[in-house]
Amino acid sequence: DAMVIQNPRYQVTQFGKPVTLSCSQTLNHNVMYWYQQKSSQAPKLLFHYYDKDFNNEADTPDNFQSRRPNTSFCFLDIRSPGLGDAAMYLCATSRDHPTYNEQFFGPGTRLTVL
Amino acid sequence: SQQGEEDPQALSIQEGENATMNCSYKTSINNLQWYRQNSGRGLVHLILIRSNEREKHSGRLRVTLDTSKKSSSLLITASRAADTASYFCATDAKKDSSYKLIFGSGTRLLVRP
Repeated sequence: DAMVIQNPRYQVTQFGKPVTLSCSQTLNHNVMYWYQQKSSQAPKLLFHYYDKDFNNEADTPDNFQSRRPNTSFCFLDIRSPGLGDAAMYLCATSRDHPTYNEQFFGPGTRLTVL
Repeated sequence: SQQGEEDPQALSIQEGENATMNCSYKTSINNLQWYRQNSGRGLVHLILIRSNEREKHSGRLRVTLDTSKKSSSLLITASRAADTASYFCATDAKKDSSYKLIFGSGTRLLVRP
């Protein structure tokens, strides 16, 4: 089945220790998104790739970086995690830009920062 | 700032009852989407309604859109315990040349068996 896969499902890191979250998709979609979701809050878009074009949200901290080496994979790098970065990180894809396209979400990676 | 705000924040109903959730937004849209999120999981797309549509159905789901009032509602009929989840509306927004979805704050629905 075509899907969006996130690894790992749970990640524990130490304050200030870099961490990388991964996302892969078998849908061959052009657009990949990274969202941060804190408890009982709406998902907040961090950035997205339209094909190879990177689109950063203005309020995304510099601590967060992303890479998309090919169509199938996208990575979220947190260079120096702080306690406030503990959250669920959701990867999503869409065939084209979201005006008329639904987004497909992975199961998420829950990040704990000690 | 959030584009969509949902009401109520939480809703508890008995199995078999109908559940209605409302979403209001601020700026003009091309489409509005509804998503469901089970606890600790990713979001699942339910329905997309375009700005020129007023009503859409999918199984037990009915979505309405009133662009004059900048609001939408999601009705789940004959609810089941498995419908327990958070429900989010999302509207499209254009920033520069890129498009994105902005999610509302969500309604947490509890369906009691």
